[in-house]
Amino acid sequence: EDKVVQSPLSLVVHEGDTVTLNCSYEVTNFRSLLWYKQEKKAPTFLFMLTSSGIEKKSGRLSSILDKKELFSILNITATQTGDSAVYLCAVGDFGNEKLTFGTGTRLTIIP
Amino acid sequence: DVKVTQSSRYLVKRTGEKVFLECVQDMDHENMFWYRQDPGLGLRLIYFSYDVKMKEKGDIPEGYSVSREKKERFSLILESASTNQTSMYLCASGQRGAAKNIQYFGAGTRLSVL
Repeated sequence: EDKVVQSPLSLVVHEGDTVTLNCSYEVTNFRSLLWYKQEKKAPTFLFMLTSSGIEKKSGRLSSILDKKELFSILNITATQTGDSAVYLCAVGDFGNEKLTFGTGTRLTIIP
Repeated sequence: DVKVTQSSRYLVKRTGEKVFLECVQDMDHENMFWYRQDPGLGLRLIYFSYDVKMKEKGDIPEGYSVSREKKERFSLILESASTNQTSMYLCASGQRGAAKNIQYFGAGTRLSVL
């Protein structure tokens, strides 16, 4: 059974700090790893990673995948209050069309 | 922009009622999914569908059924609602195929069963 573990469960930092969110996984036949941001409503897609060592970047957010050690990190630099959200990590398996989600990291940015 | 629309943001139902949650997507996606989200448990897959009239059980299908009569619409049915089905329900859609693993979510329906 596929499994995703995120850490920390929650994180409180001051505006301007840099944060690193972790995601480790077990999957039978790895296809992809995805990061989502969830504020009050729908999770919104951030990144999809399929290859080790290639950083994906969007503004102050970046992510990288290590397929040997089975983990990914999501970095947010110069955090802003608008970054406050739950960040979800999910993995896809070539054996099916499903995603398996972690429980998320709740990030709170204090002004 | 991909749009996934769920019919209600909030619903309050009584124990034993039959409940319908509707989801519509406008991107011609083959795959559609229903999840529930509970604190500390994350998103758990209830059912998914990869084609019209096709359905597959997810991790927690007990107490639920689904219907997909048209490609753009996927309905979740609670035949006889119970208090332990109080939760946030999220619908998602996505393209089918190896490279297209991204799922796009609706805003969610917060269901309370009293």
